[in-house]
Amino acid sequence: DGGITQSPKYLFRKEGQNVTLSCEQNLNHDAMYWYRQDPGQGLRLIYYSQIVNDFQKGDIAEGYSVSREKKESFPLTVTSAQKNPTAFYLCASSIGGVFNQPQHFGDGTRLSIL
Amino acid sequence: QQQVKQSPQSLIVQKGGISIINCAYENTAFDYFPWYQQFPGKGPALLIAIRPDVSEKKEGRFTISFNKSAKQFSLHIMDSQPGDSATYFCAASGNTGKLIFGQGTTLQVKP
Repeated sequence: DGGITQSPKYLFRKEGQNVTLSCEQNLNHDAMYWYRQDPGQGLRLIYYSQIVNDFQKGDIAEGYSVSREKKESFPLTVTSAQKNPTAFYLCASSIGGVFNQPQHFGDGTRLSIL
Repeated sequence: QQQVKQSPQSLIVQKGGISIINCAYENTAFDYFPWYQQFPGKGPALLIAIRPDVSEKKEGRFTISFNKSAKQFSLHIMDSQPGDSATYFCAASGNTGKLIFGQGTTLQVKP
């Protein structure tokens, strides 16, 4: 079955530590996205990538970094510069190429501070 | 101008009743309005979407009503079932392709 796989499901970060969240898709989608979800605030866009080797900042990119070396993979690193990283992180993908195609989401990674 | 405001924050409906969730936007360049359903511990799943060239779209028990002049759109869930209990998000996007999400509505359908 095609879909988006996020790992790990739960992640704990120590102070001053960088952590990387994995997102893999086998939908052959060009576009991929990272969102942060906090209670009562909906989903906010961190980074997005319309094509391999290219990505753009979303609305809350500070303290995060990404790479897009392969079409299937879009890992997100939460750096020590992100002072409030506790949240539910969601990865999504869409066909891309044209705007406003449905976005398909993974089941998220919940990040907490130790 | 990029905001999408969603109400109510939470909603309790009896089984068989109609659930109504409303969203309002400001950016007139928005031209794609999807609704997502999210169960606890899962990612959102696309439920239904509408573009502004139609005023209503129905898929099964789910209907989107769209009022372009008022810049509002709403989700109606007919014959609500306990299995519909979830968090619902409206969203909007324009020619950037970036989705702007509402704050979410937690729906509880009582048996």
